[in-house]
Amino acid sequence: RKEVEQDPGPFNVPEGATVAFNCTYSNSASQSFFWYRQDCRKEPKLLMSVYSSGNEDGRFTAQLNRASQYISLLIRDSKLSDSATYLCVVNLSGGGYNKLIFGAGTRLAVHP
Amino acid sequence: DADVTQTPRNRITKTGKRIMLECSQTKGHDRMYWYRQDPGLGLRLIYYSFDVKDINKGEISDGYSVSRQAQAKFSLSLESAIPNQTALYFCATSDRTDSSYNEQFFGPGTRLTVL
Repeated sequence: RKEVEQDPGPFNVPEGATVAFNCTYSNSASQSFFWYRQDCRKEPKLLMSVYSSGNEDGRFTAQLNRASQYISLLIRDSKLSDSATYLCVVNLSGGGYNKLIFGAGTRLAVHP
Repeated sequence: DADVTQTPRNRITKTGKRIMLECSQTKGHDRMYWYRQDPGLGLRLIYYSFDVKDINKGEISDGYSVSRQAQAKFSLSLESAIPNQTALYFCATSDRTDSSYNEQFFGPGTRLTVL
C-alpha cells in the first residue's frame, strides 16, 4: 500500500466549476500536511499547508481528518490557470526535519 | 534570478557513465535535499543534508552519492548510471526551524536519460 494515495485523474472540468481532490495517508504518526502544485515539466511549489481545523486561501479550501487519515482540497470557481497536478504531501517527522512523503498527484485540466 | 538552480537541465548519457548533477541556492537555507520523480510515482527522497557536515541517506540512496561542498551547494552523483535511473531529479531546500510545517523550495529539475 502506498503511504500517500491520490486519485491520479485527470479531472476535466469547465471554468467556474468546483472540484475536490482527496488523499489518504497510511501512517497515523504523520505530523503535518500540505498540498503542492506542480505545473507540467516544472518544479513543485507549495500551494497551502493543511491544518487540523481546516483552512482556506481564497478559492482553495483544505481539510484534514486525522481519525480517517484523509486530506482534501476544494477548488471553487476553477480558472484555466488552475490546470496542474496537485500533490498531497505528508510530513512524517516532528520538529524541523521534513521527511516528506509525496503522493503521485492528481491532474486537473480546466477547459473553457 | 532563481533561488534554487540546477545544472544541467537535461542530460542524456550511456549506461556505465559517471554523472554529476549540481544544485546551488541563494536562499541561505541550511537544509538541502535530492529527490527523483518517476511517472505515476510521487517524489522519492534520495539524500538529504542538514548542514555541510551532516549528510543522510533517504528512501532510495542505492546507486547514488552526494557531496555538500558548501552551505549553498549540494551535488548528486551517479557513479555508474543505469537505465532505471532515468528520471526527473529535483533539488530542494528548507530553512532551519522546529516547526513541522516547513516549506521546501524546489529547483527547476534535471531530466536525466540513461540509454
